Amino acid sequence: EVQLVESGGGLVQPGGSLRLSCASSGFTFSSYWMSWVRQAPGKGLEWVANIKQDGGEKYYVDSVKGRFTISRDNAKNSLYLQMNSLRAEDTAVYYCARVGSGYDYYWGQGTLVTVSS
Amino acid sequence: DIVMTQTPLSSPVTLGQPASISCRSSQSLVHSDGNTYLSWLQQRPGQPPRLLIYKISNRFSGVPDRFSGSGAGTDFTLKISRVEAEDVGVYYCMQATQFPLTFGGGTKVEIK
Repeated sequence: EVQLVESGGGLVQPGGSLRLSCASSGFTFSSYWMSWVRQAPGKGLEWVANIKQDGGEKYYVDSVKGRFTISRDNAKNSLYLQMNSLRAEDTAVYYCARVGSGYDYYWGQGTLVTVSS
Repeated sequence: DIVMTQTPLSSPVTLGQPASISCRSSQSLVHSDGNTYLSWLQQRPGQPPRLLIYKISNRFSGVPDRFSGSGAGTDFTLKISRVEAEDVGVYYCMQATQFPLTFGGGTKVEIK
């Protein structure tokens, strides 16, 4: 069974940093693109970043470029999102997702990040 | 960026009756590889999103056949042939043809 389990969320002050992790199991992690998508409270979905199987290609939404870094460790079957210079508008549930060859997204349960003083 | 526009915003439906949601993109979603990366997601209350349909009309594993997708180019439709109580939630279309990936604003399906 495919499992994606996010962790690392919590309360952080504006300007602070947080590192999210996504532990995967039930599939060959190194064979898939992976993605982070977020959802602000009561709002819709916003794509954040994608990373290729070998980490050689990364794409970001403009609003996080230069502040967030997506990475992966294929030996540990894990995906990460390093978030720096956090702002109130980054408050959201962050979902990890596996990206299939048809851009079919398999979603984790999410972890809540709250940026507030 | 490709803008995804969903209609209606809300869809009250009688149990057992059909429901239909439209999604329009601001430009063609046909990728250079010939595929159209348009997906439909369901988000039940308090739950993460769940993939229903990908590449316009392909049902994801475990998705009931009462869900179907159709369309081409810039106009797409999700249909639920007979709405059940467990179908209540918000439905999103999503394009993955071009970065940044973008989502529609969501359609809330509720029971009358």
